[in-house]
Amino acid sequence: AQSVSQHNHHVILSEAASLELGCNYSYGGTVNLFWYVQYPGQHLQLLLKYFSGDPLVKGIKGFEAEFIKSKFSFNLRKPSVQWSDTAEYFCAVNNGGSYIPTFGRGTSLIVHP
Amino acid sequence: SAVISQKPSRDICQRGTSLTIQCQVDSQVTMMFWYRQQPGQSLTLIATANQGSEATYESGFVIDKFPISRPNLTFSTLTVSNMSPEDSSIYLCSVDSGGGYNEQFFGPGTRLTVL
Repeated sequence: AQSVSQHNHHVILSEAASLELGCNYSYGGTVNLFWYVQYPGQHLQLLLKYFSGDPLVKGIKGFEAEFIKSKFSFNLRKPSVQWSDTAEYFCAVNNGGSYIPTFGRGTSLIVHP
Repeated sequence: SAVISQKPSRDICQRGTSLTIQCQVDSQVTMMFWYRQQPGQSLTLIATANQGSEATYESGFVIDKFPISRPNLTFSTLTVSNMSPEDSSIYLCSVDSGGGYNEQFFGPGTRLTVL
């Protein structure tokens, strides 16, 4: 069974700091990769996704993620965070033939103004 | 994209009772999913609900505890039966994007507290 590890459970940053959230997965075949975000009081929504092609994908609000196949990683980055980025971030992976993603346990990001 | 609503948004229930959560989608979808999100933990898939067939449950979840209905392509219910405090969680409904990309759209969740 595939698994997803998010190494940072709680991250606290000041505005304008750079962000990198780690995500590693265990499945060795073709994968689809996602980052979801849950802002306070809102529902989970897709931040960005990777299916194929350029391993550097760009999402909403200035976020990007890089798929490194050799490292089984899909880390999320943002060069300069804002207070409004305070949220819970979930990495998710599914293998190419499955509708059902496996989620990491999430990273709580707090950005101080 | 799909717009998903859930009812109730939150509830506080007594041990031993049951709660039915409703999920409504604004478009027809083949597959609907029910997740549980416990504090500080990952989303855990409870079951997949297909219209016209029995729900498919994940390991550790059984139909007697979490019966699911899927009467049509836009609606599903999840019942949490004979509740205990361990069932306190957020329950999420989601649907697949249907575009072959397997991204999911989530409802706002139902926050359940069992006393």
